[in-house]
Amino acid sequence: NAGVTQTPKFQVLKTGQSMTLQCAQDMNHEYMSWYRQDPGMGLRLIHYSVGAGITDQGEVPNGYNVSRSTTEDFPLRLLSAAPSQTSVYFCASSRGGSGANVLTFGAGSRLTVL
Amino acid sequence: TQLLEQSPQFLSIQEGENLTVYCNSSSVFSSLQWYRQEPGEGPVLLVTVVTGGEVKKLKRLTFQFGDARKDSSLHITAAQPGDTGLYLCRSRGSTLGRLYFGRGTQLTVWP
Repeated sequence: NAGVTQTPKFQVLKTGQSMTLQCAQDMNHEYMSWYRQDPGMGLRLIHYSVGAGITDQGEVPNGYNVSRSTTEDFPLRLLSAAPSQTSVYFCASSRGGSGANVLTFGAGSRLTVL
Repeated sequence: TQLLEQSPQFLSIQEGENLTVYCNSSSVFSSLQWYRQEPGEGPVLLVTVVTGGEVKKLKRLTFQFGDARKDSSLHITAAQPGDTGLYLCRSRGSTLGRLYFGRGTQLTVWP
């Protein structure tokens, strides 16, 4: 079982460049989300989706866009990268958006913005 | 504003010691989960608690949900180096889908 697949695993960008972090899940999960993890800050929710065609903002959405055209895919776009976006990004999915559903995480994408 | 407050932020102990970490909030949780994250990996679920006063055991790990459902604790008995990792609690905000994590407790167990 592939679970949640994130690509790329590592990426270096220059300030102002754009890129997309890919996330795909093969578990038919309705709920998908993106988190960023910085030292001492735990996991902070960027954007989430409770189903195809539905997205909403989390705690730290500025500078990021998402779309959910299919159940399987939930890409995260950085339109104009800034050094403050240097972080490790995790995609996660679950059957639903309640607090009792199990979140399955990808392996993470480490992004450095110079 | 942090929905979930975890303490301590760092904990470094010797193998065989016992420890307790905490997750607290001013809000009532409908449910709460604990995850463990190892370096270079995503977090993995340890337990879900849903009932006030609930106690769940997972081998040497004991999870407790406060009676008022505003706090939770994780107790590890006779810690082992394999317990090393970042322990995170997670709950849901007022909006379905808004799932928040605490900042975590970084546990290091030395042999």
